[in-house]
This record gives sequence, C-alpha cells and structure tokens, in this order.
Amino acid sequence: AQSVTQLGSHVSVSEGALVLLRCNYSSSVPPYLFWYVQYPNQGLQLLLKYTTGATLVKGINGFEAEFKKSETSFHLTKPSAHMSDAAEYFCAVSEDSSNTGKLIFGQGTTLQVKP
Amino acid sequence: DAGVIQSPRHEVTEMGQEVTLRCKPISGHNSLFWYRQTMMRGLELLIYFNNNVPIDDSGMPEDRFSAKMPNASFSTLKIQPSEPRDSAVYFCASSRGQETQYFGPGTRLLVL
Repeated sequence: AQSVTQLGSHVSVSEGALVLLRCNYSSSVPPYLFWYVQYPNQGLQLLLKYTTGATLVKGINGFEAEFKKSETSFHLTKPSAHMSDAAEYFCAVSEDSSNTGKLIFGQGTTLQVKP
Repeated sequence: DAGVIQSPRHEVTEMGQEVTLRCKPISGHNSLFWYRQTMMRGLELLIYFNNNVPIDDSGMPEDRFSAKMPNASFSTLKIQPSEPRDSAVYFCASSRGQETQYFGPGTRLLVL
C-alpha cells in the first residue's frame, strides 16, 4: 500500500531564503506524485505534479520538485521565499490499485515566512 | 470552466439537526471525493465515488454520515444527527481518471 511522509510539520524560513519541503513516498508501481498548496481559509490548489517523463517538474509561483526514484523522494523547493508563500503544503501519491484518481496525502507542512 | 462548486460555504447549526452539504463536480470528471479537515486530524478522505458508484466509504466516521451521488453532476454528504465534534471544513474534489484532483472551496461547518 502506498504512503506519503512529509518530514517536518512546520518549516520556518526568512523571506528570500531557500524553501525546501520534504516528501518521501512508498509505492509498488511508478507513482503519480503531486504537491498541493492550501492558503488560509481556502481549498487545496495544485502546485505541480509528476506523472512520467522529466523528473524535474516546475509548478506555479516559482516552485519545483524533483522525482528521485532511488530515494523515493519528491521534495519541493523554491529558491527565494516570498511572504505570500506562507501556507500549508501537501504531498500526495496516486493510489496504484485503481484508476479512480484517489490520492494518498501526507500530513501537510506549514510554511512560515519571516520578514 | 467552472471549478468544483460546493454549497453552502458556511453552515452553523445546533446539535441534533440534520446537515446536508452539496457538491457539483467539474463537468466530465468521473470521480468525486469527500474530505474532512480539522486541526486535530488533518485532511481525511471520507468517501469517494467513481462513475457515480461509491467505491470506498471506510473513512466515513459513523452511521450518522451518509453520501449519495444520484448523477454525474451532483453529490450530497449528510450528517444526521449532527454533533459538535463534526465541526470541520468539508471539501469536495473531482477528477477524471488519474488526472489531477480539483478541490472545491469547502464548506465550513460549525455545530453548536
């Protein structure tokens, strides 16, 4: 069965600093991987996704993530944090036993950006 | 194209009352998901449908919760009777196959 582990429930960075949010997954088949962002009082919004092909995936708002099969990781990065990046971030993997679009979500990481 | 539509956006009710949450998925999507989000438990999948058929309801907390999807464009999540511990934000999401899951804005439920 698939699972997703997000290391660190809270991450705090200074404005302009590198953002690194960690995600490790387990899956018995090549996974589809997703990062979602949730701003306060809003629903989840897709940030980026990996399905096949290039392992470095670029998303919205300057975020990117790299699929590393050998490390079973899909860490999210952004070179320079902005105050508006403060939000909760969820990593997710598609369930491999069906074609229904069911996702297995991590517990989420709250990103705080300090001025 | 309109996204996932949920109603109401906010609901305040008293313990014991029936609550019905509504969701209209994105047209053409064949999977629909109901989630609950709280500070204590985070994001939980309650139930999901594929082609209007419930596939997995193992996340539904108890018999007070029920969900239906009478057609491809409408689903309801009902709580009867409601309890204060049901207070949460309830999200509906939809997808087409294994493509991206799109979330609605959520319904914020407060049970007094």
